Amino acid sequence: KAGVTQTPRYLIKTRGQQVTLSCSPISGHRSVSWYQQTPGQGLQFLFEYFSETQRNKGNFPGRFSGRQFSNSRSEMNVSTLELGDSALYLCASSLVAGSADNEQFFGPGTRLTVL
Amino acid sequence: GENVEQHPSTLSVQEGDSAVIKCTYSDSASNYFPWYKQELGKRPQLIIDIRSNVGEKKDQRIAVTLNKTAKHFSLHITETQPEDSAVYFCAAQNTGFQKLVFGTGTRLLVSP
Repeated sequence: KAGVTQTPRYLIKTRGQQVTLSCSPISGHRSVSWYQQTPGQGLQFLFEYFSETQRNKGNFPGRFSGRQFSNSRSEMNVSTLELGDSALYLCASSLVAGSADNEQFFGPGTRLTVL
Repeated sequence: GENVEQHPSTLSVQEGDSAVIKCTYSDSASNYFPWYKQELGKRPQLIIDIRSNVGEKKDQRIAVTLNKTAKHFSLHITETQPEDSAVYFCAAQNTGFQKLVFGTGTRLLVSP
């Protein structure tokens, strides 16, 4: 079974631009979560989706948004990029949400650099 | 709010020694506690987890203990090897949701 995939793997943008990142979960997984990883703040939860519905959202500004499609693939969007948005963005998938089988498998991440 | 504290931030040991990393969580509703290992430039990978109805779990050289009353959980690695060198993250989760609250990470360096 293929693992979680994320595209693109690397991205360079300038301040004020917007960016869309994509995540394809493991086949059969219906839950996708997104995390931001930075040296200063560590791993921070952005949002989680299940069956195309956002179930939970972290403490990030409204510039950060996401969605999930009927095939469970998910995208996140960051508008009006700031230098501080430079980070590794990780998505994780799991079989279902809120059950005992809740091991989350991480993708390789998208490294976003904002200049 | 939800918070997970992790100590130490760095840990250097000699090959063959044991390593212990400790975490404390704040949310009483947390009932699932995974540990992830992240090697440089790679994705976090689950190495062991424990649920709140269990006090200890072991998998070969790795063990995790949980004290629900004190809201503490710890990772124990015995007979450390150079390939154990990585950053280790603890996390806490309320299985009503998928959200993981991570600790700040421990950089483990195992010297030959």
